Amino acid sequence: DQQVKQNSPSLSVQEGRISILNCDYTNSMFDYFLWYKKYPAEGPTFLISISSIKDKNEDGRFTVFLNKSAKHLSLHIVPSQPGDSAVYFCAASGAGNTPLVFGKGTRLSVIA
Amino acid sequence: GAGVSQTPSNKVTEKGKYVELRCDPISGHTALYWYRQSLGQGPEFLIYFQGTGAADDSGLPNDRFFAVRPEGSVSTLKIQRTERGDSAVYLCASSHGGAHTDTQYFGPGTRLTVL
Repeated sequence: DQQVKQNSPSLSVQEGRISILNCDYTNSMFDYFLWYKKYPAEGPTFLISISSIKDKNEDGRFTVFLNKSAKHLSLHIVPSQPGDSAVYFCAASGAGNTPLVFGKGTRLSVIA
Repeated sequence: GAGVSQTPSNKVTEKGKYVELRCDPISGHTALYWYRQSLGQGPEFLIYFQGTGAADDSGLPNDRFFAVRPEGSVSTLKIQRTERGDSAVYLCASSHGGAHTDTQYFGPGTRLTVL
């Protein structure tokens, strides 16, 4: 049973527009959430994170929103750039330093 | 500075053989993680070292999988009696702190193919 779900395998967005990537989780013990970005033939790289005590965290063009009651988080990228084209993984960790649980990823394509 | 490196980048082996995958973490990082990423899936946690000791090996699928980090730096993931289902990209990551939520820096992975 997948505890972290990214239900959209792919997303295509025009350059300059907003990209919204979604993630749902089932484990109510998760209290820290991260987004990683992966280019082909490279390992994932950390993008942004959010603790469950917050509902929003922003870093430049990237904003993560957390809705705990809905067990849902989203990553907003605005404006989207062609270099943002990559696979984005949502990950979660629970209290007590539990290992990261990753979703299957969403492939974002930003079209110039 | 150098990032996390993994060798070999690709490994093809036959069913039943033994393989070793190596990870060189970022210098000074005390925590080291191994993950497995199967086709179409996200990374799946295998084992985590804090220094030389395995702090959490709850993700190892069975006793064919073993990992060591004898001097607290380089780590080797060892797979005995490989099976076709072991085919995946094996990712290594390191971090400065000891929490799973500390920023983990990933290597490019080793693609293992078991024929």
